[in-house]
Amino acid sequence: AQSVTQLGSHVSVSEGALVLLRCNYSSSVPPYLFWYVQYPNQGLQLLLKYTSAATLVKGINGFEAEFKKSETSFHLTKPSAHMSDAAEYFCAVSDGGAQKLVFGQGTRLTINP
Amino acid sequence: GAVVSQHPSWVICKSGTSVKIECRSLDFQATTMFWYRQFPKQSLMLMATSNEGSKATYEQGVEKDKFLINHASLTLSTLTVTSAHPEDSSFYICSAKPLAGGLGEQFFGPGTRLTVL
Repeated sequence: AQSVTQLGSHVSVSEGALVLLRCNYSSSVPPYLFWYVQYPNQGLQLLLKYTSAATLVKGINGFEAEFKKSETSFHLTKPSAHMSDAAEYFCAVSDGGAQKLVFGQGTRLTINP
Repeated sequence: GAVVSQHPSWVICKSGTSVKIECRSLDFQATTMFWYRQFPKQSLMLMATSNEGSKATYEQGVEKDKFLINHASLTLSTLTVTSAHPEDSSFYICSAKPLAGGLGEQFFGPGTRLTVL
């Protein structure tokens, strides 16, 4: 079975500061990993995905994530936070075969002016 | 590209009535669609996997007679909440996996907020 743990249900950073959202996964097979963002009362938008190619993945809006197999992690980062980054972020894992996504609990990102 | 729509975006109904929610992939074909439920400030819970032309596969604990899913075409899946009760009030989100391309990627609809009075 696969699972995802997002450390920190709420992260608050200042505008212009580094954003780091943590995600650890558990999978018995090589995983496909995803980060999604959700704005209030909206669906999910894909930020980036890892599918066994490059371990450093660049996504939209300046976000990137690094797959570290030894640490079973897929942390999301952005060098400089913008006010528009305030949202809920979900990390998800899939085995690619069953195609089902297993989501983490989510991390609410707040940006302080 | 890869747009998924849901209709309605919100619905309020009386207890005991049935509500149908539509999920459409607008610019791609999807053999597989997924239905999720999200409670306030919580993560998404997969309810069922819907494959075009076949019966949906429900997750453990989800009542298939209460949440009827029909995947009639490669671009449309519907979720019907039968005999809705206040505890069914939630945010329902669908997603679609493209027939071609992508590796495990799903595209999500904007969600439907159901309120049962």
